Parts: sequence; structure tokens; C-alpha cells
Amino acid sequence: AQSVTQLGSHVSVSEGALVLLRCNYSSSVPPYLFWYVQYPNQGLQLLLKYTSAATLVKGINGFEAEFKKSETSFHLTKPSAHMSDAAEYFCAVSQNNDMRFGAGTRLTVKP
Amino acid sequence: EAGVTQFPSHSVIEKGQTVTLRCDPISGHDNLYWYRRVMGKEIKFLLHFVKESKQDESGMPNNRFLAERTGGTYSTLKVQPAELEDSGVYFCASSQRGAPTDTQYFGPGTRLTVL
Repeated sequence: AQSVTQLGSHVSVSEGALVLLRCNYSSSVPPYLFWYVQYPNQGLQLLLKYTSAATLVKGINGFEAEFKKSETSFHLTKPSAHMSDAAEYFCAVSQNNDMRFGAGTRLTVKP
Repeated sequence: EAGVTQFPSHSVIEKGQTVTLRCDPISGHDNLYWYRRVMGKEIKFLLHFVKESKQDESGMPNNRFLAERTGGTYSTLKVQPAELEDSGVYFCASSQRGAPTDTQYFGPGTRLTVL
């Protein structure tokens, strides 16, 4: 079965600093990987997805993620954090007809 | 275009009562999914509809949960009778094709509290 693990339930960065949210996957077949973000009182919004095309995937709001098969990773990065990036972020792998989510990482951005 | 909507946004009930959650998917999306997040843990898959048919209900925790999608439009998820461990946030999502690469569009969730 496919699964994802998010390292770090809470990450805190200063405004303008690099954002790095970690996600590792487990899959016996090439995975389809997703990053979603949940802002307070809103639903999950897709940031980006990897579907076996380019390994570096660019998403909305300046986020990107790189698929690294050798490391079984799909970490999410953003060069410079904004206050508006404060939210909870979920990594997910698509298996058949359902998504398997990580436990989520709550990002705090300090002024 | 309207997104996925869910009703109610919050529900507080007592143990043993019945609650019905509703989800309206994006118009034209044949695929509808229910997920649940309990106590800040990972979001877990409950079931998947294709139109009015249950494609996969392997994530349903037990027979106290009943999901329906009559007519292939909106869906309801009924919990009867509710137990304390049913508390959590219930998300609904929809997608157009249902392929593994498809983006699933999520609603804001229903926060269920069972006292």
C-alpha cells in the first residue's frame, strides 16, 4: 500500500526565510503525489501535484516541490515566506480512487 | 463556478443521536469522496462515489455510517447512533474523471463534536 510521512508536525520560520516542508513516500509503483494547503476555516486547496512528468513541480503562491526517487521524497519549498503562508500543509499520494494523506504540518510565519 | 459546499459547518450532538452531513460537489463532477480527520491526525478516506454508485467504501469505519448519493448529485453521510470517537472534521471532495492524477476539490469540512 502507498503512504506518505510528513516530518515535523509544526514548522516555524521568519518572514522572508526559506520554507521547507518534508514529505517522504512509500510506494511499490511510481506514485502520484500532491501537496494541499488548508487555511483557517477553509477547505483543502491544491498547491501542486506530481504525475510522472517533470520532477520539479511548480505550484501556486511561489511553492514548488521536487520528486526524488532515490530519496523517496517530495519536499515542498518556497524561497521566501510570507505571513499569508501560515496554514496547515498536507502531502498526499493517490492510490486507485482515494488519497492517502500525511498527518499535516502546521507552518507558522514570524514577523 | 461554485466550489464544493458542505452543510452544516459545525454540529454538536450527544452520544446516541443521529447526524446527517451533506455535500454538494462541483457541478458536473461524477466522482465524490468523503474523508475524515480525527483529533488532528491524518485525513482518512471513507468512501468514493461514481455518480450514484459506491465505487469504494473500504474506509467506512463501521455500519453506523451510511452514505448515499441519490441521483448522482449531492451526497449525505449519516451517523447513527453517534459515538464519542466519531468526533472530527468530515471533508467532502469531488473530481471530474476519478483518475489517480485527477485533482480532488475539497469542501471546507463539517466539524462534528459528539458529547
